[in-house]
Amino acid sequence: QKEVEQDPGPLSVPEGAIVSLNCTYSNSAFQYFMWYRQYSRKGPELLMYTYSSGNKEDGRFTAQVDKSSKYISLFIRDSQPSDSATYLCAKEGAAGNKLTFGGGTRVLVKP
Amino acid sequence: KAGVTQTPRYLIKTRGQQVTLSCSPISGHRSVSWYQQTPGQGLQFLFEYFSETQRNKGNFPGRFSGRQFSNSRSEMNVSTLELGDSALYLCASSGRQGPNTEAFFGQGTRLTVV
Repeated sequence: QKEVEQDPGPLSVPEGAIVSLNCTYSNSAFQYFMWYRQYSRKGPELLMYTYSSGNKEDGRFTAQVDKSSKYISLFIRDSQPSDSATYLCAKEGAAGNKLTFGGGTRVLVKP
Repeated sequence: KAGVTQTPRYLIKTRGQQVTLSCSPISGHRSVSWYQQTPGQGLQFLFEYFSETQRNKGNFPGRFSGRQFSNSRSEMNVSTLELGDSALYLCASSGRQGPNTEAFFGQGTRLTVV
């Protein structure tokens, strides 16, 4: 079992819809989780990071961590075609600076 | 503020050769990490350097090595290239020692081994 699991998609939604992305992780020893967005032929771009449990909101993006279920979620409100990308969740190693990534979910927002 | 710069952007090498990739982190960042991204395995951690010392290492063979210079610039080297080494190699820099490191990635070097 991989440490971080993510549905590869693709997830196709109409413009303006809410995009819901999920990851599960297997080791409870970590407290920092990140979401990255990666466009084709580009490096990953840090979207959000969250600590422990709870919600964090930044504009159209909301990240949630449920440590009891070992579940990480990202919600994108009012989705735009420019949100079409691969979204990667990651958890940080105990010593920091070592990220373990999920496989990524490809999202397509159709105009 | 300039981002993470990786050079070259594209490389084609022959099996058995060696290759050196370069990464210049964000100014002031002292931590540089390297990752390999392939369609089959996704993003995998190679190693991390902080103040010229390797602090973390992933599960890759010894053919993969790296170093960091006093100005925080980093290089990674792959010797005796294999076809399976074809991948996007990404460098990430962080200004924090951890946790909560907020790693910022470069555009990557796409290596093709033929």
